[in-house]
Amino acid sequence: GAVVSQHPSRVICKSGTSVKIECRSLDFQATTMFWYRQFPKQSLMLMATSNEGSKATYEQGVEKDKFLINHASLTLSTLTVTSAHPEDSSFYICSAAPWAGYEQYFGPGTRLTVT
Amino acid sequence: AQSVTQPDIHITVSEGASLELRCNYSYGATPYLFWYVQSPGQGLQLLLKYFSGDTLVQGIKGFEAEFKRSQSSFNLRKPSVHWSDAAEYFCAVRYNNNDMRFGAGTRLTVKP
Repeated sequence: GAVVSQHPSRVICKSGTSVKIECRSLDFQATTMFWYRQFPKQSLMLMATSNEGSKATYEQGVEKDKFLINHASLTLSTLTVTSAHPEDSSFYICSAAPWAGYEQYFGPGTRLTVT
Repeated sequence: AQSVTQPDIHITVSEGASLELRCNYSYGATPYLFWYVQSPGQGLQLLLKYFSGDTLVQGIKGFEAEFKRSQSSFNLRKPSVHWSDAAEYFCAVRYNNNDMRFGAGTRLTVKP
């Protein structure tokens, strides 16, 4: 149980375009989902926390207009990187929790490359 | 400020040798503590966690960790390392508000 999927696993896009990454909780309902970013050989940095039906809470320094997060259902959250640039290339990992304060379950990650 | 420290960026051990990866945290109360492993290009796999109770926690793949409140530490151990254990290891701490913070990670290399 407690499986979280991400799609796509890898994506390459051209600079200036937008790309959407999906995060799904497959066997539980997630009231809270999290988005992390990981640069090569570095740790995970929390980007934002989203609660189903509410606006996401972004960490300091994360541009909310560039990284659009939608958590419209209890099993799906999406991260849209708008007007992507090469510096947005990174490994994006989501996690989901049945409710706030419960253990987070992590997805396998999405490798984004912006050319 | 709340923080998680993994002092060792890279550790090399011989196959069959014992392993200890260090993790220290700063927080006023007892947080929830986790160890994850990440293989290259992969997501995170939970090795073990500590919420309360017995301070020696057993995890998967033969790993264990011990919570020491007096030292604010949660070190990961394995008595005999296998070549397949080579990976990146992250200590993570979750505070009351579900805010999870990760250490910088320790890369483990296993020599044959």
